[in-house]
Amino acid sequence: EVQLVESGGDLVQPGGSLRLSCAASGFTFNAYSMTWVRQAPGKGLEWVANIHHDGSVGYYVDSVKGRFTISRDNAKNSLSLQMSSLRADDTAVYYCARHNVYKYDYWGQGTPVTVSS
Amino acid sequence: EIVLTQSPGTLSLSPGERATLSCRASQSVNSNYLAWYQQKPGQAPRLLIYDASSRATGIPDRFSGSGSGTDFTLTISRLEPEDFAVYYCQQDGGSTGTFGQGTKVEIK
Repeated sequence: EVQLVESGGDLVQPGGSLRLSCAASGFTFNAYSMTWVRQAPGKGLEWVANIHHDGSVGYYVDSVKGRFTISRDNAKNSLSLQMSSLRADDTAVYYCARHNVYKYDYWGQGTPVTVSS
Repeated sequence: EIVLTQSPGTLSLSPGERATLSCRASQSVNSNYLAWYQQKPGQAPRLLIYDASSRATGIPDRFSGSGSGTDFTLTISRLEPEDFAVYYCQQDGGSTGTFGQGTKVEIK
């Protein structure tokens, strides 16, 4: 059974940093690209970042470029999102999802991030 | 970046009725790699349709997708009580992805 479990969400002050993790199991992790998607309170889904199966390339939505870094450890079946210079508009539930031929077929339950003083 | 525009914003229907949701792309979607998701309150999104018209594993056949190029449709043939939710379309060009803003299907 495919499982994705996010962790690391927290309350953080504006300008602060946070690292989210996603533990994957039930599939060959190093065969798939992985994606982070977020959802601000009461809002729609927003694609945030994607990383190739081998970790060689990452892509980002413009609003997080230079502040967020996506990475993975294929030996540990783990995906990460390092977030810095956090702003109030980064407040959201962050989901990791398996990227399977241009679709996101499995999702974690999400981890909440609140940026507030 | 491809912008996806969904309409209507809200659809008010009764159980048993047919729901037709639209997703329009600002430019042609690569190889029709257009997907639809369902999200219920407090839950993660669930993949319903991929490649514009293929049902994901375990999705009932009352859900169907159609379209190509820039215009796509999700149809729910007969609404069941559990189908009242928010629906999102999504495309991924191989590097970045985008979602539509969502259509809420609510009970009339």
